[in-house]
Amino acid sequence: ILNVEQSPQSLHVQEGDSTNFTCSFPSSNFYALHWYRWETAKSPEALFVMTLNGDEKKKGRISATLNTKEGYSYLYIKGSQPEDSATYLCAFPSTGTASKLTFGTGTRLQVTL
Amino acid sequence: NAGVTQTPKFQVLKTGQSMTLQCAQDMNHEYMSWYRQDPGMGLRLIHYSVGAGITDQGEVPNGYNVSRSTTEDFPLRLLSAAPSQTSVYFCASSLAGVGNTIYFGEGSWLTVV
Repeated sequence: ILNVEQSPQSLHVQEGDSTNFTCSFPSSNFYALHWYRWETAKSPEALFVMTLNGDEKKKGRISATLNTKEGYSYLYIKGSQPEDSATYLCAFPSTGTASKLTFGTGTRLQVTL
Repeated sequence: NAGVTQTPKFQVLKTGQSMTLQCAQDMNHEYMSWYRQDPGMGLRLIHYSVGAGITDQGEVPNGYNVSRSTTEDFPLRLLSAAPSQTSVYFCASSLAGVGNTIYFGEGSWLTVV
C-alpha cells in the first residue's frame, strides 16, 4: 500500500489570503498525480491531473506544481474566497491503472470573511 | 448530462442485511471503481473494473462483491452488513489511462445498526 501524505490536515484563512498545501507521494514508479476538491455531500471534483515532472497547471485562482523526482506537489490558492472552503485531496495511481488510486487524507480549508 | 449516478443516496441497514449500491455512468468509460470514505482516512479502494466482465479487488474488499456485466453499470453488493461498513461510498469512472480525469458520483451514505 502506497503512502500519500497531505499537509496541513486543516487550514483556516481569511478572505483574500493566499495559501498552499502539500502532497507527498512515492517518487519511484510515477504515473500521475490527481488533485480533487471535495465539498461535503457533493462529488469530489477533479482539479488537475499532472503527469510530467515540472508540470504547472492553473484553473482560475488555483494552481499546482509537480516535482516527481522528490515526490511532492503543491496546490496554491491565490486570494482565497469563502467558496474555496472544501477539502482538497490528492491521489496517486498505484499502478498504470486509473482505477486504482491511493488517496491522501486531504487538507480541509476554511475561508472566513 | 448525468455523468456518474449512484443510488440510493442514504440507506440504513440492520446488521446481517444485504443490499446493493447502484452505480451507472453514461460516458462510455472503461474504468469504474468503488471507494469508501471514513473519518480521518482518505478514500480507500474497495473494488475496481477495467472493462465489462473484468473486476479486481482493491485495498478493502472484504464483505463486498461486484460485477460488471455492462460498460455502464457497476453495482456494489454488501453480502451481510456489519457496523464496520458504515461509511460513505463513492463510485468513480474514467477512460483508460492514468492521465485521464476520474469522475465521481455524489456518494451513498450507509449506516449499519
